[in-house]
Amino acid sequence: GNSVTQMEGPVTLSEEAFLTINCTYTATGYPSLFWYVQYPGEGLQLLLKATKADDKGSNKGFEATYRKETTSFHLEKGSVQVSDSAVYFCALSATLAGGTSYGKLTFGQGTILTVHP
Amino acid sequence: GAVVSQHPSRVICKSGTSVKIECRSLDFQATTMFWYRQFPKQSLMLMATSNEGSKATYEQGVEKDKFLINHASLTLSTLTVTSAHPEDSSFYICSARDRGNNQPQHFGDGTRLSIL
Repeated sequence: GNSVTQMEGPVTLSEEAFLTINCTYTATGYPSLFWYVQYPGEGLQLLLKATKADDKGSNKGFEATYRKETTSFHLEKGSVQVSDSAVYFCALSATLAGGTSYGKLTFGQGTILTVHP
Repeated sequence: GAVVSQHPSRVICKSGTSVKIECRSLDFQATTMFWYRQFPKQSLMLMATSNEGSKATYEQGVEKDKFLINHASLTLSTLTVTSAHPEDSSFYICSARDRGNNQPQHFGDGTRLSIL
């Protein structure tokens, strides 16, 4: 079955530090990969996505590259801010050959990020 | 960007009450909506997939008679927690998916349900 594994948290950084949150996956078919962010008491917001191998998703200074050879989709940001403090979820949506998408998301366990001034 | 509205944001009610949560896609048509449950400091657990005009598909272990899902239009799905008990207290989140392949899910802001 499909699964997503994220690095253990919580992650605590100082402002302007470099961020990496590791994410690896196992899936049948040709998955699309996503990073979602959840701020306290809120739902999830799509941060970025990649739909095929070697695609790079980017948004708000965050980046992640779809690496099929290592089945990874690590999230990076060069300089974090206090406002980036949130829970980050890596997720995949499996896609069959031919492009038919299941639509269902499989989530990683989430990584809590806290950024101090 | 795509917006999904979930209402209410918070519900506190007595044991035995039935509670309805609405999920609306505001600027796109969603043939598929999803309902999740999230326990504190944990990931999201998919409860069911809601398809417009047809019965919902429930994940293993989710009681369909307890969690009634209706998806009457392309922009609205509802989750009714019937005869709620304290163990049903949780954070419920819906999402809606654009049409087409490889479209991301867009999430509502969630509903905090507390059963006394």
